Amino acid sequence: DAKTTQPTSMDCAEGRAANLPCNHSTISGNEYVYWYRQIHSQGPQYIIHGLKNNETNEMASLIITEDRKSSTLILPHATLRDTAVYYCIVRALLLPGGTSYGKLTFGQGTILTVHP
Amino acid sequence: DAGVTQSPTHLIKTRGQQVTLRCSPKSGHDTVSWYQQALGQGPQFIFQYYEEEERQRGNFPDRFSGHQFPNYSSELNVNALLLGDSALYLCASSPLQGSSYNEQFFGPGTRLTVL
Repeated sequence: DAKTTQPTSMDCAEGRAANLPCNHSTISGNEYVYWYRQIHSQGPQYIIHGLKNNETNEMASLIITEDRKSSTLILPHATLRDTAVYYCIVRALLLPGGTSYGKLTFGQGTILTVHP
Repeated sequence: DAGVTQSPTHLIKTRGQQVTLRCSPKSGHDTVSWYQQALGQGPQFIFQYYEEEERQRGNFPDRFSGHQFPNYSSELNVNALLLGDSALYLCASSPLQGSSYNEQFFGPGTRLTVL
């Protein structure tokens, strides 16, 4: 799985949009970009994933650049409850004869702190 | 619908002992993965079970072993505990292996402290 690079920490004011960047310059054609977050003392929580098109769900939006070498997770109206560590993960869904999509490779993530 | 459950919540052991951690996957999920998360680090993949067999393994020694039962629940066993095994152990479940877009649903974890 390709390696990702994220800022160590970011701050955001409550009610404003939080934009979390991720670099994945070695991403392969069959690899998806996944975002998970981990609130203190809880297990990671899936947020969103995408291949090359922008994606949006009830939690967030995912913007992937045309060359797929970077992406941005957008929390449109951050709340105090969004304070967490956010992980950007690149993962292939299928490998010939394998089940590699079972494994998530977590990096250090970005500590997002939302301030009142 | 209950999510992923893990037991116990916390556990304290001494070096050299053995420990068993348990996980019940989310309803409808048949694949279970285990992760180790040291303090201040991201989770590290230990192994994944499907159809009662270990399907994929991360870079962990043989002291770490597991089992999956017919009801899809799973156990993680660690033998000859070391101080460095102190961590949060996370269980994650996911839907059928054939699904292209499976998400992993994580439990709250078991906090293991080795003294």
